Parts: sequence; structure tokens; C-alpha cells
Amino acid sequence: KAGVTQTPRYLIKTRGQQVTLSCSPISGHRSVSWYQQTPGQGLQFLFEYFSETQRNKGNFPGRFSGRQFSNSRSEMNVSTLELGDSALYLCASSLVETSMNTEAFFGQGTRLTVV
Amino acid sequence: AQKVTQVQTEISVVEKEDVTLDCVYETRDTTYYLFWYKQPPSGELVFLIRRNSFDEQNEISGRYSWNFQKSTSSFNFTITASQVVDSAVYFCALRRGSSNTGKLIFGQGTTLQVKP
Repeated sequence: KAGVTQTPRYLIKTRGQQVTLSCSPISGHRSVSWYQQTPGQGLQFLFEYFSETQRNKGNFPGRFSGRQFSNSRSEMNVSTLELGDSALYLCASSLVETSMNTEAFFGQGTRLTVV
Repeated sequence: AQKVTQVQTEISVVEKEDVTLDCVYETRDTTYYLFWYKQPPSGELVFLIRRNSFDEQNEISGRYSWNFQKSTSSFNFTITASQVVDSAVYFCALRRGSSNTGKLIFGQGTTLQVKP
């Protein structure tokens, strides 16, 4: 059974550009969450999707957005990139919809560098 | 508010030593879930264990064991006879049980270095 797949693995962008990251969850998983990891702030929750609906959102500016497709694949977009957006972006998928006792499985992440 | 604090930022041990990573959490929820994840240099977070708030039974899995104590809001992780392959960053995380969300609240992580 394939795990969570994130593409691309590495990305270098220039300030002011926009970027789209992709996440394919484990087959059968309908919940997808995104996290940003930086040395200074650690792992921070960005947003969560279930059945194409955003269910929860972290404390990030509107430049960060996401969506989920009918096949549960998810994308996140960052517009007008800033140097501080350089981070490892991790996607996690879960089997069920509620905060029940299920674990989240993570992809290897996309390392974004903004220059 | 929910919060997870990992007491140690970095730990360095010599192979075969036992090591304990401490995690303290804060929540007002009566139902919640605690997790430990391992992050090797490749970046992926590898799930290790989930513990429900209503189940205080400790767990052992090979060289790994977890001690959950609600009275002290702690969920500590012990590696027995550590190996070089255990070197990684370990994260403790909390998920609320009272709201419809899968959001994880992570601690800052503990970097474990196991020297040969």
C-alpha cells in the first residue's frame, strides 16, 4: 500500500512568486492536513481538509491556501512568497473524519527555499 | 489552550544506553489523544504510538516503551539499549477529542544523537 506522496520534494522560488505543492494521501484516506516546519517555529498546523471541505485552519496569512479534490488529493498554494516561507511543508493523511483515535501518516515533505 | 512541551531539546547518549524523552502536555479536554513521531533526516514523520486519554496502560514495543500518567500530564518515551539508528528528532503531539478535527499540536521536538 503506497504511503503519502508529496511533490515536488524540493523547490526553489524567488520572493514574490507563487508556489503550488501537491499531496496524494494513502488510498482510502479522506482527511488531509498540512503543516509547516521551520527551525524557529517548529511544526505548525496550516489547514485540514475532509471531503473537499476545509475543516480547520491554522494561524497563517491569507497567502496560504489549499484545496482538496474529489479523489482526496490536496494542493496547497502560497502566493507572494516571502523569505520567511522557506520551510519543510508536510502533508498528513488520516483514515476517518473525526478526532477519533486514528493516527496521521505523513509524507516526506516538500522543502521550499525562497531566495 | 492546548500545549505540548518536550523537556529536552537535545540528548546525546552512547550506544546501548537507555534514554528517556519527556513530554508534558496541557489541555482542558477530558478526551484527547497523544502521539509520538520520529523524524529521521529524510524528513518524513514516522508514527510510533497513539495513546487515548482514557487508557493509561503503559505500552512496550520492542526496545520502545511509553509511560502515560494523567496525574502529571506526562507521556514519556523510553528507548532501551539505544542504537545509532535511533538518532533522529522525536516529536510528541496532542490531538483534541472534543472537536471535529485531526489537527495535531506538536512539541518542539527532542533531537536524539546516539553515538557508537
